[in-house]
Amino acid sequence: DAKTTQPNSMESNEEEPVHLPCNHSTISGTDYIHWYRQLPSQGPEYVIHGLTSNVNNRMASLAIAEDRKSSTLILHRATLRDAAVYYCLVISNFGNEKLTFGTGTRLTIIP
Amino acid sequence: NAGVMQNPRHLVRRRGQEARLRCSPMKGHSHVYWYRQLPEEGLKFMVYLQKENIIDESGMPKERFSAEFPKEGPSILRIQQVVRGDSAAYFCASSPPKPPQRGVRETQYFGPGTRLLVL
Repeated sequence: DAKTTQPNSMESNEEEPVHLPCNHSTISGTDYIHWYRQLPSQGPEYVIHGLTSNVNNRMASLAIAEDRKSSTLILHRATLRDAAVYYCLVISNFGNEKLTFGTGTRLTIIP
Repeated sequence: NAGVMQNPRHLVRRRGQEARLRCSPMKGHSHVYWYRQLPEEGLKFMVYLQKENIIDESGMPKERFSAEFPKEGPSILRIQQVVRGDSAAYFCASSPPKPPQRGVRETQYFGPGTRLLVL
């Protein structure tokens, strides 16, 4: 699976939008971009995934660069409950099944 | 629709004892994965199982660790003769059977984890 690079930590004010970047310059044409998050003392939770087009769901939006070498997870209006470690993963559809987590971005929400 | 269940949530063992961690996947899920998270580190894959089969155990330590997913009952991660370095959070995830078309990776649904402390 392709390697990803994320900032170690970010802060955002409550009720403001948050943009979490991820670089994945070695992504291949068939790799999907997945985002998971891990709230304190909990297991990881799926957030969103995409291939080429931008994606929206009830939790977040995913903006994928045209060259697919980077992506941005967008939380439109951060709440205190969004404080978590956010992991960006690039997953091959033709490889094995395991998820390879990096160190992620620790998001702190300031009330 | 219950999520992935893990028990116990917390487990304390003395060095040399055995630890048994249980994972009940979501209803209808036949794929189970175990991950380990050491303090202040990211999650590391350990093993991937389907019913009665180990598919990928490339992340499992070669000694003292074993995993099973029997036809009936939960998946079990077993650690024999625990050492202090085994202290970690162990997460189980499950996913449904693979869809018929290629190119679709199923989401993994994680349980709350078992926090193992070895004294």
